[in-house]
Amino acid sequence: DTAVSQTPKYLVTQMGNDKSIKCEQNLGHDTMYWYKQDSKKFLKIMFSYNNKELIINETVPNRFSPKSPDKAHLNLHINSLELGDSAVYFCASSPYGGQITEAFFGQGTRLTVV
Amino acid sequence: AQSVTQLDSHVSVSEGTPVLLRCNYSSSYSPSLFWYVQHPNKGLQLLLKYTSAATLVKGINGFEAEFKKSETSFHLTKPSAHMSDAAEYFCVVGAMEYGNKLVFGAGTILRVKS
Repeated sequence: DTAVSQTPKYLVTQMGNDKSIKCEQNLGHDTMYWYKQDSKKFLKIMFSYNNKELIINETVPNRFSPKSPDKAHLNLHINSLELGDSAVYFCASSPYGGQITEAFFGQGTRLTVV
Repeated sequence: AQSVTQLDSHVSVSEGTPVLLRCNYSSSYSPSLFWYVQHPNKGLQLLLKYTSAATLVKGINGFEAEFKKSETSFHLTKPSAHMSDAAEYFCVVGAMEYGNKLVFGAGTILRVKS
């Protein structure tokens, strides 16, 4: 019974396309995140939502738009994909929005833009 | 300023010998500290966490880490390496001055030789 699940696991698409990655957590957590892992394996936060509200928005191009329909879901939509968007995107969740606790990660979505 | 520094990008040990992965952090407050492991093409798994309780923290798979405030360090150790420990390890810090997010180190790749 997967705690944090992302789909798809792999995504290959052409430049200029629009794509979405979905994430769901069944842990009952209040906070969800999107992280990007680049080709050098460096992980950086992109967005954080607490109970469907955006609380962290790092310096991410506005082609990236997160959407949280409820606190168990946080989807990532990317418009006009560029080669530099190729990376592994991880969704994560954590139990408390006001405290710093560990995050539970999904398996990642490997996005390749060609 | 760098929030978390992993001092070695690669560490190579022989099976059965001790493992030491070094991590230093910068924080003006009492941080929360974590170690995560990522096996090739897999997601991130929490190994252990420090959140202001005991300074010596035991994690899964025989790993331990010691929080040393005076040295601002949180090194990861294991008495005896196993082939299955070969992976990338991330030291992660959460602190008030970084907002409600986890900040990742650049990672250390652990290689275990037979």
